[in-house]
Amino acid sequence: AQSVTQLGSHVSVSEGALVLLRCNYSSSVPPYLFWYVQYPNQGLQLLLKYTSAATLVKGINGFEAEFKKSETSFHLTKPSAHMSDAAEYFCAVSRSGGSNYKLTFGKGTLLTVNP
Amino acid sequence: NAGVTQTPKFQVLKTGQSMTLQCAQDMNHEYMSWYRQDPGMGLRLIHYSVGAGITDQGEVPNGYNVSRSTTEDFPLRLLSAAPSQTSVYFCASSYSSPSQETQYFGPGTRLLVL
Repeated sequence: AQSVTQLGSHVSVSEGALVLLRCNYSSSVPPYLFWYVQYPNQGLQLLLKYTSAATLVKGINGFEAEFKKSETSFHLTKPSAHMSDAAEYFCAVSRSGGSNYKLTFGKGTLLTVNP
Repeated sequence: NAGVTQTPKFQVLKTGQSMTLQCAQDMNHEYMSWYRQDPGMGLRLIHYSVGAGITDQGEVPNGYNVSRSTTEDFPLRLLSAAPSQTSVYFCASSYSSPSQETQYFGPGTRLLVL
């Protein structure tokens, strides 16, 4: 079974500051890992995903994440926050390989960007 | 393409009433799924389908039924609504498994059960 822990249900940063959203996973087999973003009153949108290729994954809107097997982590970063980044962010995990139909989501981290 | 559409956007039910949440996609995606989102709980998978005529249970299937008679539609049925089913429901679709392909989410249905 897989699980995801997102550290911090709410993160607040100033505009222009570094964004760091933490995600740790648990999986008995090599995982695939994902970050999704949800803007207010909308569905989720895929930011980026790790599927056992490069450990540093670049996504949309300037976000990136690094897969660290030794730390079982997949933290999301962005060098400079923008007001438009304010949203809720979800980390998710699935089993790697084959047809895997179940994503397990973390509880989410709400990002607030202050002017 | 309209993408993934959901109706209604908002619904209020009384305990014991039944209703169907509609989901449709026009991208010819094989895989479709239903999630519920509750505060502080993230998204939890209710049911999913890997093609017309094929459905399976997710993490929290109790109280919900699904069917997939066409590739485009994947309705979610609440046979006897309970207050615990108050939630925001999202439908999603992708070409194959969501671990292989990008999942596209609908805008959600907010359900309040009194």
